[in-house]
Parts: sequence; C-alpha cells; structure tokens
Amino acid sequence: GAVVSQHPSRVICKSGTSVKIECRSLDFQATTMFWYRQFPKQSLMLMATSNEGSKATYEQGVEKDKFLINHASLTLSTLTVTSAHPEDSSFYICSARDGGYTFGSGTRLTVV
Amino acid sequence: AQSVTQLDSQVPVFEEAPVELRCNYSSSVSVYLFWYVQYPNQGLQLLLKYLSGSTLVESINGFEAEFNKSQTSFHLRKPSVHISDTAEYFCAVMNSGGYQKVTFGTGTKLQVIP
Repeated sequence: GAVVSQHPSRVICKSGTSVKIECRSLDFQATTMFWYRQFPKQSLMLMATSNEGSKATYEQGVEKDKFLINHASLTLSTLTVTSAHPEDSSFYICSARDGGYTFGSGTRLTVV
Repeated sequence: AQSVTQLDSQVPVFEEAPVELRCNYSSSVSVYLFWYVQYPNQGLQLLLKYLSGSTLVESINGFEAEFNKSQTSFHLRKPSVHISDTAEYFCAVMNSGGYQKVTFGTGTKLQVIP
C-alpha cells in the first residue's frame, strides 16, 4: 500500500530556532499533501493544504509566516516552524492523497 | 460546514468484551466516512472507510462500522476486544465532492483491561 514517510519523528529545539519537518510519499506521487497539528487530548486540526508547484492554502488562524510550507516536488512537502516557541510544541502529522488518505507517522516537536 | 462528534473521550472495557465507539457527523452534502487508529507515539492508520455501497464496512482485525444516514452516525464496533486494541480512535468525515477537506472528531481512547 501507499506509504508516507515523515521525518524526524521527534525533535527538541530551543526557543527562537526553526525546525523543518519533511513528508515524503514513497511509492506514489502526491500533488496535494496536508499538514495537521494535534494538541494534547484534542483532535487533529488541519493547518494547511500543500500543493505541488504552488502556494499552500492555510486554514483560518494559522500564521503563514510562522509555518512555512514548501511542496517543491511530487513526492516531498516540508513544514518549517520558524522562530519556534514553547506554545508551538505539539504533534504534527502530514498526509497525502492516494485515493484515500495516507498519514505519516507524525513528528513530536518540543520547544524548550 | 461539516463536523464530527465523538461523545466518549475514554472507553474502558474488559478484554474479550464487546465495544462500541460512537461517532456522529453533520454535513450539508454527501460524505465519506473514516475511522483511524493511533497507537501510542505513532501516526494515524486507516482502520476502515465508507465511500459507497454496503453500509456495513469491516476491517481486517475484527472491527466494523455501519453508516446510518438517517441517524448521521458511523459507530465503530468490535464483538471481542484484545489488549492490543488499546489505542485512540478517530472518526473523520470528508465531503464527497469539490474541496475534499477532512474533519476529525476529538478521538476516543479505548482502554482494554486485562
């Protein structure tokens, strides 16, 4: 079946630094990828839709300049959390369309 | 707009007992429905989905869900749970046409007690 690889699985960074998270579709091409954020004891919240070769579409309330999304190829989308702060600590998950939705394994970001 | 409601945040159940995880949705258009499972420290995995056809769908590990349009529900059931079923379960809905945005419920933690 379709596989989406997300890296890193865990990252700890200092406040004020930037962190890049990669999402790759391993055996299929994904023109569209999605980035979600999961707060403790809450559901997944869609942050943005990443479209290959064009600008990402952000959901209301998501800061475009803080969460930079790049979808430069049909198999890779990246999410960069810029100038991270402790409140950005969360579980970030990407997904790609392959008929249904295939999810990456997620990235646990801890900002200290 | 669409929404998903999972009323039970936690469901404890003894091993080998049956379980039902409830999911209700609202949408102004026709939808596809999904159940995802998240094991500790892992990402989401698709458990089963309803797109069309038979309203009863099954997974390979014994779970089933039935789409009930009149009650706008998609409850997840298993007749006999195992310890390994301990996880968080998310119900999700996606509109079947146009911009296919997925909306997730808040999740239900299934705790299987030995």
